Amino acid sequence: ETGVTQSPTHLIKTRGQQVTLRCSSQSGHNTVSWYQQALGQGPQFIFQYYREEENGRGNFPPRFSGLQFPNYSSELNVNALELDDSALYLCASSPGTSGTDTQYFGPGTRLTVL
Amino acid sequence: QQQVKQSPQSLIVQKGGISIINCAYENTAFDYFPWYQQFPGKGPALLIAIRPDVSEKKEGRFTISFNKSAKQFSLHIMDSQPGDSATYFCAASIGGSNYKLTFGKGTLLTVNP
Repeated sequence: ETGVTQSPTHLIKTRGQQVTLRCSSQSGHNTVSWYQQALGQGPQFIFQYYREEENGRGNFPPRFSGLQFPNYSSELNVNALELDDSALYLCASSPGTSGTDTQYFGPGTRLTVL
Repeated sequence: QQQVKQSPQSLIVQKGGISIINCAYENTAFDYFPWYQQFPGKGPALLIAIRPDVSEKKEGRFTISFNKSAKQFSLHIMDSQPGDSATYFCAASIGGSNYKLTFGKGTLLTVNP
């Protein structure tokens, strides 16, 4: 059983550009959540996808968007990048949305915006 | 507004000692309180979690103490080992689930041999 994987590992972009980050959920998991972890901070919830539909969103602007595919893999897209978007982006998958479902985090994508 | 405040920011403990990390929350609607462990280059991993209907939960060397009236909860690591050296995050959510977790800022624990 493979865990949650994310690509790329590291990414450098310039301000104003657009970026797409990818996440492959753990086998059998239909729910994916994305978090932003700034340096020295805890992760902040961006949004969650359940069976290809957005299932809740944190306090992030619309330039943060996502997709979930039929195989339950997911993408995070960020438009018009700002310097403050520099962070570790984590995705977490779970087998469902119930209270007993543990989220399994991937290793993250380190995004640097210059 | 930081809804979950975690302290200390860093902690150094000798092998065999007790590590204690504290968290305080503001939102009384929170009803699920997990602790995550994160090693460098890895994503956070669930360590232990508690719901407000109990005041303490123990799993091996790890114990969560929960004080609902004070809106505080803490992680105790007994017999701390060098392999426990990591960053620890407390978190909280509404609805008793792992959905939309609000995390503290983290505590860097170093256990010296």
